[in-house]
Amino acid sequence: EAEVAQSPRYKITEKSQAVAFWCDPISGHATLYWYRQILGQGPELLVQFQDESVVDDSQLPKDRFSAERLKGVDSTLKIQPAELGDSAMYLCASSLIWRGGRGNNEQFFGPGTRLTVL
Amino acid sequence: EDKVVQSPLSLVVHEGDTVTLNCSYEVTNFRSLLWYKQEKKAPTFLFMLTSSGIEKKSGRLSSILDKKELFSILNITATQTGDSAIYLCAGGATNKLIFGTGTLLAVQP
Repeated sequence: EAEVAQSPRYKITEKSQAVAFWCDPISGHATLYWYRQILGQGPELLVQFQDESVVDDSQLPKDRFSAERLKGVDSTLKIQPAELGDSAMYLCASSLIWRGGRGNNEQFFGPGTRLTVL
Repeated sequence: EDKVVQSPLSLVVHEGDTVTLNCSYEVTNFRSLLWYKQEKKAPTFLFMLTSSGIEKKSGRLSSILDKKELFSILNITATQTGDSAIYLCAGGATNKLIFGTGTLLAVQP
């Protein structure tokens, strides 16, 4: 069964260091999402891609976070410099393509990367 | 501002009990209501509801949507310890999901 792949699964870093997370969506899924989930809360959308284009990055802290999906397939989320408050689970999800407002809301999640900033 | 509110925040029951989890939503350009189950990993999909009053069932789980009252419930009958998890509700807009904070369910033997 097709799955969303993420790596690493766990990352421990010191504050002010740079970290990067990778995501490979389900084949054929043009829409890719990065979420941050703080313990005890629901996932919060950071950035959404349609193919290689950013659709929504309104909640992405752009002073330290960046995301790219250069070829419209896999994606990288970077944090530089990391801060203590960035400790969270970072989830990647994908869904079928959206065209003209038509599509399926069902999103498939990867296993996540648990980040701990010391 | 879009929001999804779940209740209760946490719940402890014994095996065999029936539980009802609640989700209310205010989502612009609402299209669907989704339920996910999250154990110590990523959320796994349970249901997607788009029409009012039509119950969806999967084994001991069922869910229904009320688009007039902007509300959904998730029922779990004859609970088992394996049902212990966080249950997330999400309101689907045109091309995004807005998640609630989840209900933490603990099923004791």
